[in-house]
Amino acid sequence: AQSVAQPEDQVNVAEGNPLTVKCTYSVSGNPYLFWYVQYPNRGLQFLLKYITGDNLVKGSYGFEAEFNKSQTSFHLKKPSALVSDSALYFCAVRAFFNAGNNRKLIWGLGTSLAVNP
Amino acid sequence: DAMVIQNPRYQVTQFGKPVTLSCSQTLNHNVMYWYQQKSSQAPKLLFHYYDKDFNNEADTPDNFQSRRPNTSFCFLDIRSPGLGDAAMYLCATSRRGTNGYTFGSGTRLTVV
Repeated sequence: AQSVAQPEDQVNVAEGNPLTVKCTYSVSGNPYLFWYVQYPNRGLQFLLKYITGDNLVKGSYGFEAEFNKSQTSFHLKKPSALVSDSALYFCAVRAFFNAGNNRKLIWGLGTSLAVNP
Repeated sequence: DAMVIQNPRYQVTQFGKPVTLSCSQTLNHNVMYWYQQKSSQAPKLLFHYYDKDFNNEADTPDNFQSRRPNTSFCFLDIRSPGLGDAAMYLCATSRRGTNGYTFGSGTRLTVV
């Protein structure tokens, strides 16, 4: 079955420290991978995506993610966390479900990031 | 700026009273999606329109309907809201052949 796993419900880091939010996936074919961030009572904001090319993808707000095909992972990283990074982070993969052009996003359950001052 | 707009941001409705949530986009994207998101959970796809073609998820309750009168607008109709339908409802768009999805800010629905 096609799926996305975010193994940590919550991640706590101190401001200024590096952060990692983990994501692994299982999908048929080449994965299209995404990270979104959600602040309280707001919609989802796009951070970055991997389609093809360099395994290290740079995105918004200083975030980056590394695609690792052998480990089927797409972990989100930031060298120095800010208190304002505290939010809910979702990993998603675009997968085929039917013949033709019918693709959908499969979502992880989300990881709550808390950055402490 | 081109964007996806959802109105209203907050909606309170009575148990059993029909309610409509709206989504508009200035991106000219041909695909529009409605998601339901309950507290601290992943978004759950309800249905999507590929141009005018409606695609319903197998587990979307019959209580939920959608209309897309034109490219720019898409509506979510909940015919008889129950307490369990209280959630954030997210609209998103994408363009065929690209890999980007743009989300609106969501409408938080409360059922009293």
